[in-house]
Amino acid sequence: DARVTQTPRHKVTEMGQEVTMRCQPILGHNTVFWYRQTMMQGLELLAYFRNRAPLDDSGMPKDRFSAEMPDATLATLKIQPSEPRDSAVYFCASGSGQGASDEQYFGPGTRLTVT
Amino acid sequence: AQSVTQLDSQVPVFEEAPVELRCNYSSSVSVYLFWYVQYPNQGLQLLLKYLSGSTLVESINGFEAEFNKSQTSFHLRKPSVHISDTAEYFCAVSDHTGGFKTIFGAGTRLFVKA
Repeated sequence: DARVTQTPRHKVTEMGQEVTMRCQPILGHNTVFWYRQTMMQGLELLAYFRNRAPLDDSGMPKDRFSAEMPDATLATLKIQPSEPRDSAVYFCASGSGQGASDEQYFGPGTRLTVT
Repeated sequence: AQSVTQLDSQVPVFEEAPVELRCNYSSSVSVYLFWYVQYPNQGLQLLLKYLSGSTLVESINGFEAEFNKSQTSFHLRKPSVHISDTAEYFCAVSDHTGGFKTIFGAGTRLFVKA
């Protein structure tokens, strides 16, 4: 049963600390998306990749957030330094890369709390 | 650019009653339309999608949605809901101008009461 995995599932950290979230897309998928979900803003697209290259990161605060794909099986989202307003659930999703008609497969999310 | 509007933020309904969750979209080109469902403490998962062809699409658990091009709508319906349908439902749209990006609506929380 192919699934997107995310680690950690929960993270509590203090303001100013670095946070790294990891995602393993479904094997063979070549598009990866990072979303942030909050009660106030709903689901926001932060960045996405195709074939490990970033295609769009316009939704991401550039001064503190960075997203990378070191290899085809790992995507990372880093926040440095973290702030309380970053508290949210962060989802990774992957797709087969066929185009706009793709279904996205979501991971279970990382619940981040910054105190 | 595409946009999606989900007209109801919350829909309470009694078990075995019918339900409709409304979704309108905006796009200047042909679109692909999706409904995703999110159960508590889980990620989103695809419920159904419209790509082309028949305007009525169905899911395996009794939901259906109809693509209406003239009204730019893609409302989700179920004739008889169960307690287990309690979840948040997201309408989403993509088109060829957006690359691989999908635009999600704000979500509708369906609450099924016994």
